[in-house]
Amino acid sequence: DAKTTQPNSMESNEEEPVHLPCNHSTISGTDYIHWYRQLPSQGPEYVIHGLTSNVNNRMASLAIAEDRKSSTLILHRATLRDAAVYYCILRDLISGGYQKVTFGTGTKLQVIP
Amino acid sequence: DTEVTQTPKHLVMGMTNKKSLKCEQHMGHRAMYWYKQKAKKPPELMFVYSYEKLSINESVPSRFSPECPNSSLLNLHLHALQPEDSALYLCASSQVGGRTEAFFGQGTRLTVV
Repeated sequence: DAKTTQPNSMESNEEEPVHLPCNHSTISGTDYIHWYRQLPSQGPEYVIHGLTSNVNNRMASLAIAEDRKSSTLILHRATLRDAAVYYCILRDLISGGYQKVTFGTGTKLQVIP
Repeated sequence: DTEVTQTPKHLVMGMTNKKSLKCEQHMGHRAMYWYKQKAKKPPELMFVYSYEKLSINESVPSRFSPECPNSSLLNLHLHALQPEDSALYLCASSQVGGRTEAFFGQGTRLTVV
């Protein structure tokens, strides 16, 4: 499986933008880049995903490098509710139509009031 | 309905007990997953079902026995567990294919005594 590398932790001030980086240098051409977050005492929650182009949704933006070896999750205005562990994941499509969702170590985001 | 429902939320069992965890989704997803999460660690994939067939077993000990009786239900049968099996057990579901997100339940907090 292609692996992802993220910083262990990051801090942000409330209402400031946050850029969470992820390296995935061994990504294959058909791997989708997914981001999930896990709030304390909850299951992981989908944030955003993309393949090659930058993506926006109501929660965040995803910027994907041209060579696809790295990506950045952008939270435009961090709130206290965004304090969570953020996971960057490559969706590995295996023959037969099924796939793994394999988590890396993630980045723990602390938001400071 | 975008929920994955897991029951029970909490479970305490002895090492000689037999118990089952249940997971249900009504989103028409044909891929379902079991994960194990220890404290302060990322979720670890245990099993993947695709079209109700076991697709991936990540070398999980036989004291964990998964079952997918239909496309909406996923069970995890537990027998002769050890205290080190105490963890949060997460269920997830998704469409088959890396283009779509996975949805996670809130998990079952299992304590083996």
